[in-house]
Amino acid sequence: DGGITQSPKYLFRKEGQNVTLSCEQNLNHDAMYWYRQDPGQGLRLIYYSQIVNDFQKGDIAEGYSVSREKKESFPLTVTSAQKNPTAFYLCASSRGGKAFFGQGTRLTVV
Amino acid sequence: AQSVTQPDIHITVSEGASLELRCNYSYGATPYLFWYVQSPGQGLQLLLKYFSGDTLVQGIKGFEAEFKRSQSSFNLRKPSVHWSDAAEYFCAVGAPNFGNEKLTFGTGTRLTIIP
Repeated sequence: DGGITQSPKYLFRKEGQNVTLSCEQNLNHDAMYWYRQDPGQGLRLIYYSQIVNDFQKGDIAEGYSVSREKKESFPLTVTSAQKNPTAFYLCASSRGGKAFFGQGTRLTVV
Repeated sequence: AQSVTQPDIHITVSEGASLELRCNYSYGATPYLFWYVQSPGQGLQLLLKYFSGDTLVQGIKGFEAEFKRSQSSFNLRKPSVHWSDAAEYFCAVGAPNFGNEKLTFGTGTRLTIIP
């Protein structure tokens, strides 16, 4: 079945450590996105990529980094520079305007 | 720049009552518009989309939305809500240009259903 896979579903990290969230899609979509979701704040765009080997900062890119070496993969690294990393992270891909979402990764930094 | 405004953060509706969730957008051309639904702890699911043509679009689960260009709105409606409709709803606007695609989401409206 085609879709987007985010892993892991739950992730715990110590403060000061970098952590990478995985996002893989087999939909052959060019565009991929990372969103952060906090209670009452909706979806905030972290980074997006419209094509392989290219990506752009979204609204809240500070403290995050991404790569897009393959069309299928768009991993997000939450660095130690991100001041408040505990959140729910959603990955999505789109083609022709229609987006498909992964099930999300809940990151807790302790 | 494209943007989406959902003015209602939280709406409470009685089961069986009608529902309307508001969405206003800002976009330079004819937009592609979407409504998504999110159940707690899950990803988002597409309810319906508007690309062109008939301004009243039907979606899944009995939802519909009407595109009104003059009001820059794309409100979501359902004639009679069910308890299972309790969720968070997101409106989105997009530019589906291959190689230059970007979706922008509103902040969401949380829907609570009371018996």
